[in-house]
Amino acid sequence: DGGITQSPKYLFRKEGQNVTLSCEQNLNHDAMYWYRQDPGQGLRLIYYSQIVNDFQKGDIAEGYSVSREKKESFPLTVTSAQKNPTAFYLCASSWDRQKPLHFGNGTRLTVT
Amino acid sequence: DQQVKQNSPSLSVQEGRISILNCDYTNSMFDYFLWYKKYPAEGPTFLISISSIKDKNEDGRFTVFLNKSAKHLSLHIVPSQPGDSAVYFCAAFGNEKLTFGTGTRLTIIP
Repeated sequence: DGGITQSPKYLFRKEGQNVTLSCEQNLNHDAMYWYRQDPGQGLRLIYYSQIVNDFQKGDIAEGYSVSREKKESFPLTVTSAQKNPTAFYLCASSWDRQKPLHFGNGTRLTVT
Repeated sequence: DQQVKQNSPSLSVQEGRISILNCDYTNSMFDYFLWYKKYPAEGPTFLISISSIKDKNEDGRFTVFLNKSAKHLSLHIVPSQPGDSAVYFCAAFGNEKLTFGTGTRLTIIP
């Protein structure tokens, strides 16, 4: 059963700590994306990757980093430089630019 | 700069009636539009899409209309069912990325 797995579902961290959110897909999709959802702001693009070992900044990349060492995996690190890290983070993948995105079920990160 | 706007944060509709969700965009380079449905604590799921070369696309109870001159698209759900209660996002593709609107929370009243 193909899909996107994000883990964990809930994550709590202390301010000043880096944290890495996992995203794995078995859909054989080339492109992967990270979005952030905040109340009243919809989904905003953090980073995206169209092929292995390559990725581009989205609209709100500051304070985040990613890697794409394998086609199946696109982990997101929320660094201590991110000013407002508490949010709902969504990972997505697609075949190519004009195919609908498939989303994971998200990770809710709370930083205190 | 919000390039994709959903000006109605919420909408309530009687079960069985038509639900109409609206979306406006500002970037004329957008050439592909999608609607997603989202339940709480879950990822969005794709509903329906439309290319800029069309003005209508239909899939069962869902129809999307595109008015390029007005830079406006709408999603019609007929008839509305209780399971349609969710947040709906419109999204537009351009410049190699998808830009989402802020969402409209649809509540279907039994």
